[in-house]
Amino acid sequence: ILNVEQSPQSLHVQEGDSTNFTCSFPSSNFYALHWYRWETAKSPEALFVMTLNGDEKKKGRISATLNTKEGYSYLYIKGSQPEDSATYLCALRDNDMRFGAGTRLTVKP
Amino acid sequence: DSGVTQTPKHLITATGQRVTLRCSPRSGDLSVYWYQQSLDQGLQFLIQYYNGEERAKGNILERFSAQQFPDLHSELNLSSLELGDSALYFCASSVGKGQGIYTIYFGEGSWLTVV
Repeated sequence: ILNVEQSPQSLHVQEGDSTNFTCSFPSSNFYALHWYRWETAKSPEALFVMTLNGDEKKKGRISATLNTKEGYSYLYIKGSQPEDSATYLCALRDNDMRFGAGTRLTVKP
Repeated sequence: DSGVTQTPKHLITATGQRVTLRCSPRSGDLSVYWYQQSLDQGLQFLIQYYNGEERAKGNILERFSAQQFPDLHSELNLSSLELGDSALYFCASSVGKGQGIYTIYFGEGSWLTVV
C-alpha cells in the first residue's frame, strides 16, 4: 500500500501570489500520479496525470512536476485567483487509486 | 458534469439500518470505484470493480459490500449502520482496469447521515 503525503495541509495566499504544494510518496512503484482539484460542494476534477520521472504538465496558470527518484510531485499555481480556492488532491495509481489528504488553498481577494 | 451518476444524493437513516447507494458509470467506462469521505479525513478507497469483477479492495468494512452488474452499474450496500458511517460516499469510474494513466471521473456523491 502506497502512502501519499501532502503538504501543507492548508494554505492562505493573497490574490496574485504564486504558490506551490507537495505530494510525497515512499516508492516509485506505481503506474501514474494524478492531481485533482476539489471545490466545496462539487466532485473532484482531474487536473493532470503523470507517469515518468521528469514529467511536467501545464494547464493555464497551473503546472505540475514529477520526481520519482526523490519521491515527490509539486503543483504550482502562478498568480493565484480567488477561483483557485479549492482542495488539491494527489493520488497514486497502483492496483487501485489512493489519495492524499489534500492541500486546502484559500486565495483572498 | 462528469457523466457519473449517483443516487440518492442525500439519505438519512437510523442506526442498525441498511442502505444501498447506486452508481452509473460514464458511458464506456468499465471500472467503478467507491470512496468514503468522512469529516476530517481524506478520500478513503473502499473497493474497485472492473467489468463485473472485484479488482481491488481497500479499507472496506465487513458490514459493507458492493457489486457491479452486467450493465456496469454498481451498488454499495451498507448494513448495521453506525453513527460513524455518516459520510459522503463517492463513486468514480474509468475506462481501464487500473494499470495505466486513465483518469477516474467522480460522481457528485451520496451524503449519508446516520442518526
